[in-house]
Amino acid sequence: AQSVTQLDSHVSVSEGTPVLLRCNYSSSYSPSLFWYVQHPNKGLQLLLKYTSAATLVKGINGFEAEFKKSETSFHLTKPSAHMSDAAEYFCVVRHGSSNTGKLIFGQGTTLQVKP
Amino acid sequence: DTAVSQTPKYLVTQMGNDKSIKCEQNLGHDTMYWYKQDSKKFLKIMFSYNNKELIINETVPNRFSPKSPDKAHLNLHINSLELGDSAVYFCASSRSTLLAGDNEQFFGPGTRLTVL
Repeated sequence: AQSVTQLDSHVSVSEGTPVLLRCNYSSSYSPSLFWYVQHPNKGLQLLLKYTSAATLVKGINGFEAEFKKSETSFHLTKPSAHMSDAAEYFCVVRHGSSNTGKLIFGQGTTLQVKP
Repeated sequence: DTAVSQTPKYLVTQMGNDKSIKCEQNLGHDTMYWYKQDSKKFLKIMFSYNNKELIINETVPNRFSPKSPDKAHLNLHINSLELGDSAVYFCASSRSTLLAGDNEQFFGPGTRLTVL
């Protein structure tokens, strides 16, 4: 069965410093992995996705993530945090045993950006 | 030009009532989903329809009944509401999951349901 674990429930950084949000996955298949962002009282927006192409994936707003099979990780990074990055971030794996599009979400990481 | 829309945005109701949440997408997608986000922000899929046909039905009480009148709409009806139904419900849509390739899911803004 597939699952994702977000290692930090809360991350706090200062504006202009790097962001690292950690995610480990478990999958019996070659996984499809995603990062979604949820701003307060808003819906979810896709930041980036990995679907077995390049292991370093670039997303919107300067975010990127690297798929590391040996470490079963898909950490999200950004070189320099902006105040507008403050939000909830979800690491997601697609259920791979069927073609239903079922997404399995991690527990979420709250990113706080301090001025 | 809203892609995935939900109504209402907020819903406050008493225990035991029956309520519906509506979802519409104008992206031409064939697949639609309902997710529940609990108070700890954990998101879990409830249902998915592909071209009006149910393809995912997670372990959800049968008080919850999705209805898809056409592929652009997926409504969620909830009977005999309970306190534990309080949550944010998100609708999403994607290209048909029967097609090869990755099908990004686009989410609506959510409906915050509060059961008193």
